[in-house]
Amino acid sequence: KAGVTQTPRYLIKTRGQQVTLSCSPISGHRSVSWYQQTPGQGLQFLFEYFSETQRNKGNFPGRFSGRQFSNSRSEMNVSTLELGDSALYLCASSSTGIRSYEQYFGPGTRLTVT
Amino acid sequence: SQQGEEDPQALSIQEGENATMNCSYKTSINNLQWYRQNSGRGLVHLILIRSNEREKHSGRLRVTLDTSKKSSSLLITASRAADTASYFCATGPYSGAGSYQLTFGKGTKLSVIP
Repeated sequence: KAGVTQTPRYLIKTRGQQVTLSCSPISGHRSVSWYQQTPGQGLQFLFEYFSETQRNKGNFPGRFSGRQFSNSRSEMNVSTLELGDSALYLCASSSTGIRSYEQYFGPGTRLTVT
Repeated sequence: SQQGEEDPQALSIQEGENATMNCSYKTSINNLQWYRQNSGRGLVHLILIRSNEREKHSGRLRVTLDTSKKSSSLLITASRAADTASYFCATGPYSGAGSYQLTFGKGTKLSVIP
């Protein structure tokens, strides 16, 4: 099976702009989670989608949003970018079921805000 | 907030030596997982240990879990240069909506010198 893919891999944006990141999960996985990784805060959970519904959300401002499509692909959007949004954004997918503990991560999108 | 805290933050060893990393967490868990991250890339799942298990092996990896002390350790035996990476422990109870959110520690950066 192909792994989790994320596009683009690298992105440079200017403060105030918005950005959309894309994630394609492993085939058959219906849960997609997003994480932000920064040197200062480490890995932090953004949100999780399952069957096109947001099931869980981390402690991030409303500028961070996401969605999931019927084919389980997911996008996350950050509006009004701030310098502090520079980070590695990781997407992870997992299989369904009560024992779907393991998450499979994509390579990440490195976002730089200038 | 971080659930797990790894110790040490950085570890440098010679190839062939064993590497031990520790993780402490704060709340009750269903299971604890260890992930590896090569420089600035996605995370790779290494091993999962359930709360009713005390020790688990996978190849050169040995994980222990002490729920009374809320701590876990990861031992990598006969280390190789390719083991150079950051290692994270992760925990996460299910939320009420059935969503599984991972909470990561800040990681241990392991350097294996050839």
